[in-house]
Amino acid sequence: QKEVEQNSGPLSVPEGAIASLNCTYSDRVSQSFFWYRQYSGKSPELIMSIYSNGDKEDGRFTAQLNKASQYVSLLIRDSQPSDSATYLCAVYADSNYQLIWGAGTKLIIKP
Amino acid sequence: SQTIHQWPATLVQPVGSPLSLECTVEGTSNPNLYWYRQAAGRGLQLLFYSVGIGQISSEVPQNLSASRPQDRQFILSSKKLLLSDSGFYLCAWSELTVEAFFGQGTRLTVV
Repeated sequence: QKEVEQNSGPLSVPEGAIASLNCTYSDRVSQSFFWYRQYSGKSPELIMSIYSNGDKEDGRFTAQLNKASQYVSLLIRDSQPSDSATYLCAVYADSNYQLIWGAGTKLIIKP
Repeated sequence: SQTIHQWPATLVQPVGSPLSLECTVEGTSNPNLYWYRQAAGRGLQLLFYSVGIGQISSEVPQNLSASRPQDRQFILSSKKLLLSDSGFYLCAWSELTVEAFFGQGTRLTVV
């Protein structure tokens, strides 16, 4: 059973600080990794994708991938109240055209 | 650019009534299409996915069904709704780059 694990939170971070979200996965051969943001009552929105070991930066967001340890993380710098949302980690399973989803981490940015 | 339309946004249906949710994608050909359900405060549950017209794979046995009558149209149906069918239904599409893009979602309440 392929699994993706996330801490459900809530993770509370003061405004302006760095928020760190983590995700672990069980399938060693996974190649594609994604972070989605979901505001309450809305559909998930893709914010980051990463395919190679190391860091990938996009504005205030940095995705980090470590395939040997089977974890992927998302850092949000200079956190804003508008970053308050649930963040979903997804891992692509090559064998059956599916994304395997974590249950999400609820992030709260306190002004 | 690609867009995905899903309707209706909200739906209240009595137990035992039929269901039909429709999703269409524009700006792409032969996309992979997905139906997900998300219970309140929970992660995404894959219900059905399709890699082509008439090709439907079911992930969870239940009283729901899906059809893909056209390349960019995906329909979720039920003959008789149960209370447990309540949830947030999401249609999504993907291509070779595998990340999923979601429609606005349908909030279904079965009463």
